[in-house]
Amino acid sequence: DGGITQSPKYLFRKEGQNVTLSCEQNLNHDAMYWYRQDPGQGLRLIYYSQIVNDFQKGDIAEGYSVSREKKESFPLTVTSAQKNPTAFYLCASSIVGTSPSTDTQYFGPGTRLTVL
Amino acid sequence: LAKTTQPISMDSYEGQEVNITCSHNNIATNDYITWYQQFPSQGPRFIIQGYKTKVTNEVASLFIPADRKSSTLSLPRVSLSDTAVYYCLVGDRTYSGAGSYQLTFGKGTKLSVIP
Repeated sequence: DGGITQSPKYLFRKEGQNVTLSCEQNLNHDAMYWYRQDPGQGLRLIYYSQIVNDFQKGDIAEGYSVSREKKESFPLTVTSAQKNPTAFYLCASSIVGTSPSTDTQYFGPGTRLTVL
Repeated sequence: LAKTTQPISMDSYEGQEVNITCSHNNIATNDYITWYQQFPSQGPRFIIQGYKTKVTNEVASLFIPADRKSSTLSLPRVSLSDTAVYYCLVGDRTYSGAGSYQLTFGKGTKLSVIP
């Protein structure tokens, strides 16, 4: 089955700890994205990567870091510097076409992070 | 990224046609209009995309008037399974700083389908 996988589905961490969220895709897409969604809110872009070993900050990159060592993988680290890390995190991928806002994005099932 | 405005929520009975309108007054010439659907605790799913006039696929239609300052997503004969949040996304890539992007889905429209 082609698609995007995120693990784990639920994640609990103590305040002050870094945590890494996994995102893997087998759609052969070049572009990958990380979004954050808070209750009752839309999605906000954290990081965007158009190609391996390259990524750009999104609207709310502070307190987050990413790596893109392989085309299939785009892990997100939520650091202790992120003041309000509890949220629903979504990973997506797309071809690289016109632009991130017009290229059809395929989303993973999400990881719900709770920081205690 | 063009700012969009959608109704916060809508209710509809099963079997009815539902029209959700998105306003995007500052849409740019190169901007496309894309709609996504999101069920609770899941990632959004692409529904339809258009540039002007009308686009139709197997699940929805998208109507875009000549001035392109708004668009309407039309869902024919909705069922309970269409209960979801619908997002309108408009825009081209916008740089918010050196090498950074703005790309935000608004709050969307929460559609509730009633039996």
